[in-house]
Amino acid sequence: GAGVSQSPSNKVTEKGKDVELRCDPISGHTALYWYRQSLGQGLEFLIYFQGNSAPDKSGLPSDRFSAERTGGSVSTLTIQRTQQEDSAVYLCASSFHRGTYEQYFGPGTRLTVT
Amino acid sequence: AQKITQTQPGMFVQEKEAVTLDCTYDTSDPSYGLFWYKQPSSGEMIFLIYQGSYDQQNATEGRYSLNFQKARKSANLVISASQLGDSAMYFCAMREGESTGNQFYFGTGTSLTVIP
Repeated sequence: GAGVSQSPSNKVTEKGKDVELRCDPISGHTALYWYRQSLGQGLEFLIYFQGNSAPDKSGLPSDRFSAERTGGSVSTLTIQRTQQEDSAVYLCASSFHRGTYEQYFGPGTRLTVT
Repeated sequence: AQKITQTQPGMFVQEKEAVTLDCTYDTSDPSYGLFWYKQPSSGEMIFLIYQGSYDQQNATEGRYSLNFQKARKSANLVISASQLGDSAMYFCAMREGESTGNQFYFGTGTSLTVIP
């Protein structure tokens, strides 16, 4: 079956512009996560959606970052007024609700802010 | 406090030798899961192995095994008979139980290089 998909795969934008990154999770997965990974670094948690519960936004680095998940499926991460330090790979992952299930990762979106 | 700690930023191993990648975790939730992921230079995150907090035996998946020491809150990954294709970043992760929100936490990773 289809895995987690993300679009676009690459995005180059000018400083100050807004960008939207999309994630399509695996069908049936109720949990969805966004992470940011700077070059050679680990995963930085951004936001977590679980079913209809209020999302855990504790990892969002500033109010320029927001995310939504429509209908419990597709999610969009929006970065407003992009800065050069926002340049990174943005990874989306989904999983079943239960704790025994691993996360399945998408291929990521490489964002470059010039 | 860090939920997941990986103290080895970089490791080297000779091809065909075994290597242990360290991971310690911190949680007060009695129900949790421990995971290891591999990230090759291509960037994809590949799930390797899982250990549940109530599992009595150490998890094994082919050449991967997880040395689970619950009292020490340790979940080291052992890779036996290393291959050149094992060169990658390795991330340890923990998922807490429903009582604490099912959140996932990742360590900072260990870069493994297999030497021919």
